[in-house]
Amino acid sequence: SQTIHQWPATLVQPVGSPLSLECTVEGTSNPNLYWYRQAAGRGLQLLFYSVGIGQISSEVPQNLSASRPQDRQFILSSKKLLLSDSGFYLCAWSVGGHTEAFFGQGTRLTVV
Amino acid sequence: AQKITQTQPGMFVQEKEAVTLDCTYDTSDPSYGLFWYKQPSSGEMIFLIYQGSYDQQNATEGRYSLNFQKARKSANLVISASQLGDSAMYFCAMTPTGKLIFGQGTTLQVKP
Repeated sequence: SQTIHQWPATLVQPVGSPLSLECTVEGTSNPNLYWYRQAAGRGLQLLFYSVGIGQISSEVPQNLSASRPQDRQFILSSKKLLLSDSGFYLCAWSVGGHTEAFFGQGTRLTVV
Repeated sequence: AQKITQTQPGMFVQEKEAVTLDCTYDTSDPSYGLFWYKQPSSGEMIFLIYQGSYDQQNATEGRYSLNFQKARKSANLVISASQLGDSAMYFCAMTPTGKLIFGQGTTLQVKP
């Protein structure tokens, strides 16, 4: 069966520090991968999505970047965090096409 | 432009009654998928129901049904016989080419 791992669950980082959030999927090949950010009580903002290794589409230009070094690994990074980067970050995968996505447990990031 | 709109920030429903959550979408793609997700206070994203753009019949999954009106570009979620455990945030989502985008969500509160 397929599973998705996202860590850490919570993170408190100072302004100006770097960020690396990792997401891995097991039990499937060549998944579509997604990174979302959710502000408290708000919707999911699509940050990046990837349909294959090395293929990253950025939806919102900002202080973040994403990489897909392996087929089932998706990494969200920042060189210098801003206060506005605080939020709930969710990783998700799908098999492509018009199928449902499966989500990780999320990372609650607080930038102080 | 591809967009999902949920116009109801919050809804109340009495336990055991039915409730409709509204969703409209905009896409120029002839092929797309429409989804509803539930997000309890824990933050996890739970897939509820899927409707394909070429599906002739409305999707149903237990107490959930999707009222798909293609000409109006609407995909409303109907929850029958509401339960206290249905209190959560609900998101409508769409897959145009390659990506999965979400609406702003509707917070549903079920009253005993």
